[in-house]
Amino acid sequence: DAGVTQSPTHLIKTRGQHVTLRCSPISGHKSVSWYQQVLGQGPQFIFQYYEKEERGRGNFPDRFSARQFPNYSSELNVNALLLGDSALYLCASSLGATQDIYEQYFGPGTRLTVT
Amino acid sequence: AQSVTQLDSHVSVSEGTPVLLRCNYSSSYSPSLFWYVQHPNKGLQLLLKYTSAATLVKGINGFEAEFKKSETSFHLTKPSAHMSDAAEYFCVVSVLTAGNKLTFGGGTRVLVKP
Repeated sequence: DAGVTQSPTHLIKTRGQHVTLRCSPISGHKSVSWYQQVLGQGPQFIFQYYEKEERGRGNFPDRFSARQFPNYSSELNVNALLLGDSALYLCASSLGATQDIYEQYFGPGTRLTVT
Repeated sequence: AQSVTQLDSHVSVSEGTPVLLRCNYSSSYSPSLFWYVQHPNKGLQLLLKYTSAATLVKGINGFEAEFKKSETSFHLTKPSAHMSDAAEYFCVVSVLTAGNKLTFGGGTRVLVKP
């Protein structure tokens, strides 16, 4: 069975540009969460979507936005990129929205470098 | 608010010796606690979780962790380290009333020497 897939694997952007990252959850999973992992730190929660609705938002600026499609895949968008946005962006999927009941399965991430 | 502190950023052990990774948490409500492992170029994998049942939790690959409310700790142990245990380990807390989000610690990198 396919796990969580993310695209692209790596991405290089310039300050001020916009980026879209994509995530396909495990088949049957209806919840998708996004995390940012800066080098040398633990992942930080950005968003959770369940059944196409936002169920949680972390402490990130409005430059970050996301959405979930009818097939439960998801996009994370970041506008006006800053150098500090350089990080590994992780997507996780789960069967349900409650994160301490339903195990989250993580994808390998998208490595974003902003120059 | 909830938070997690991993007390060691790096741990070095010899193969076949015990591993101890220390984690303290802070939470206003009853937490759920997890340990995840991250191997290079691979996704995070759940090792084990505590959700208010037995305080000693057994996970995959011989790992276990003990929830101690009085000490607000959730330390991870393994009796005998294997070379394949070399990775980064994250202690994670989740509180239902805090939007269901997972809050990660800063991570502990484990080096296993032959």
